[in-house]
Amino acid sequence: LAKTTQPISMDSYEGQEVNITCSHNNIATNDYITWYQQFPSQGPRFIIQGYKTKVTNEVASLFIPADRKSSTLSLPRVSLSDTAVYYCLVGDDRSQGDDKIIFGKGTRLHILP
Amino acid sequence: DTEVTQTPKHLVMGMTNKKSLKCEQHMGHRAMYWYKQKAKKPPELMFVYSYEKLSINESVPSRFSPECPNSSLLNLHLHALQPEDSALYLCASSQAGTGGWNTEAFFGQGTRLTVV
Repeated sequence: LAKTTQPISMDSYEGQEVNITCSHNNIATNDYITWYQQFPSQGPRFIIQGYKTKVTNEVASLFIPADRKSSTLSLPRVSLSDTAVYYCLVGDDRSQGDDKIIFGKGTRLHILP
Repeated sequence: DTEVTQTPKHLVMGMTNKKSLKCEQHMGHRAMYWYKQKAKKPPELMFVYSYEKLSINESVPSRFSPECPNSSLLNLHLHALQPEDSALYLCASSQAGTGGWNTEAFFGQGTRLTVV
């Protein structure tokens, strides 16, 4: 599984756009990029997933450059309720047939009023 | 129904007790997972069941014993735990046979376990 590197923590203010970048230099051809959000004492929640270019849903956007060695999760107009830990995961849908989802250290996002 | 339900939500047990954590999903997912999470740390994979068979055991001590009675249920049997096993235990499910990727995994709210 490709190793990911994210900032340990970030602060931002309500109403701003927040971008969290994840580095995955050894991403493989078949790897997907997935982001999860986790609030304290709750299970992680899937936010968005992509393979290349840009993906957008009702919650966030995911930007993936052509070389796919990094990705950026973009949260538009954050609110206090977006304070959470955000995990970037990279993995292969043919991972020797093993179903395995591994979390890295994540980014602790703190939204200030 | 896109829920993964875990019971109990909280559990306090002594080091000589035997208890079980339960997890249930009705999304037709054939991959189910147990994770352990300590405070301010990422979830740590413990076990994976694929098509009701144990496919991954991440070198978990034998005092943790998983069981998958059917495609909707996952149990974690606990025996002779130590205080350092106190943590949030998370269950998850996803489509199987994809390495867990190109698919969304659904997590339960977890069981907060305290070993005294």
